[in-house]
Amino acid sequence: AQTVTQSQPEMSVQEAETVTLSCTYDTSESDYYLFWYKQPPSRQMILVIRQEAYKQQNATENRFSVNFQKAAKSFSLKISDSQLGDAAMYFCAYSLYTGANSKLTFGKGITLSVRP
Amino acid sequence: DTAVSQTPKYLVTQMGNDKSIKCEQNLGHDTMYWYKQDSKKFLKIMFSYNNKELIINETVPNRFSPKSPDKAHLNLHINSLELGDSAVYFCASSLSSLEQYFGPGTRLTVT
Repeated sequence: AQTVTQSQPEMSVQEAETVTLSCTYDTSESDYYLFWYKQPPSRQMILVIRQEAYKQQNATENRFSVNFQKAAKSFSLKISDSQLGDAAMYFCAYSLYTGANSKLTFGKGITLSVRP
Repeated sequence: DTAVSQTPKYLVTQMGNDKSIKCEQNLGHDTMYWYKQDSKKFLKIMFSYNNKELIINETVPNRFSPKSPDKAHLNLHINSLELGDSAVYFCASSLSSLEQYFGPGTRLTVT
């Protein structure tokens, strides 16, 4: 079974600084997807970024980028120029692409606070 | 124009009651899901449906019964509610199992 581990329960960053959130996963598959979701206090789950395992290039979305290390099964999220609105819970998630059988397996999440 | 909507957003009920949560998506997606987020914020899949067909049932008690009348709707009915059912329930949808888009969640409180 696939597992996703987020070992840091909380992190804090100064506004305008950079922060990296860690995530590791365990799988025996070679084709899969990895995601970071953001959950602000409103509790809405918002997709931040997606990485396909077959792509060597790390995904980027504006201030958000990932460091995907397939051999190490590591998938960290870097947030540059942190803003107050980035304060939220962040979940790392894994999905094995099997068509209709696909499902997201989530890590326990990390609470990010942003200091003004 | 909410992409994935859920009703109600909040639900407070007593033990033993039966309740339903409704989900609708207007994204044209073919797969819909129910996830449960517990008090520790842990998210776990419960069910998935593809084109109205049940695909995933993750060892959920049979008091929980999903129903998909069409591709755009997936409802969750819960019988004989227990205290441990208190959680936030999220509906999500996806197209061909790529990224999933979540509804706003339904906070269920069982007293």
